[in-house]
Amino acid sequence: QKEVEQDPGPLSVPEGAIVSLNCTYSNSAFQYFMWYRQYSRKGPELLMYTYSSGNKEDGRFTAQVDKSSKYISLFIRDSQPSDSATYLCAMSPDSNYQLIWGAGTKLIIKP
Amino acid sequence: DVKVTQSSRYLVKRTGEKVFLECVQDMDHENMFWYRQDPGLGLRLIYFSYDVKMKEKGDIPEGYSVSREKKERFSLILESASTNQTSMYLCASRRAYGYTFGSGTRLTVV
Repeated sequence: QKEVEQDPGPLSVPEGAIVSLNCTYSNSAFQYFMWYRQYSRKGPELLMYTYSSGNKEDGRFTAQVDKSSKYISLFIRDSQPSDSATYLCAMSPDSNYQLIWGAGTKLIIKP
Repeated sequence: DVKVTQSSRYLVKRTGEKVFLECVQDMDHENMFWYRQDPGLGLRLIYFSYDVKMKEKGDIPEGYSVSREKKERFSLILESASTNQTSMYLCASRRAYGYTFGSGTRLTVV
């Protein structure tokens, strides 16, 4: 079993829909949780960062962490075609440890 | 903004060649990483470095080596390229929790 599980998709939704992307993990020591966005033929870029449990909002994006269920989510409101990308979750037990990555979910927003 | 530059976007090499992939970052970060990315497998860590002349093996170091002679430069070396090393190679640097990635090098070994 992988430490971090993420559905590879693709997930295809119409423009304007609310998108939910998820990861599950097995290591209860994880405290730092991140979402990266990767456009085609580019490197991943940091989108959202959350420490421990709770929610964090940035514009149309909301990151949620549920440590009791070992489950993290990224919500995208009013999705746009420009949101079409692969979204990778990543996590670690502390800020100095290397990140453990999900495999990435490919998201397609249809105009 | 931190910039991580990978010297080549696309490379085609022959089986058995020695291949050098170069990565340079411009923000004095101590930590640097080399990953390969394959469909369905996600990012897999090859090697990382916490400081000049220091290196640590990642999850898949076999067939690779690295060099870090200067803080800003981290090189990945394929000692004898093989077809199963055809992949996207990504370099990253880190301060605290945030990784900054280069645009990647798509390597094809024929």
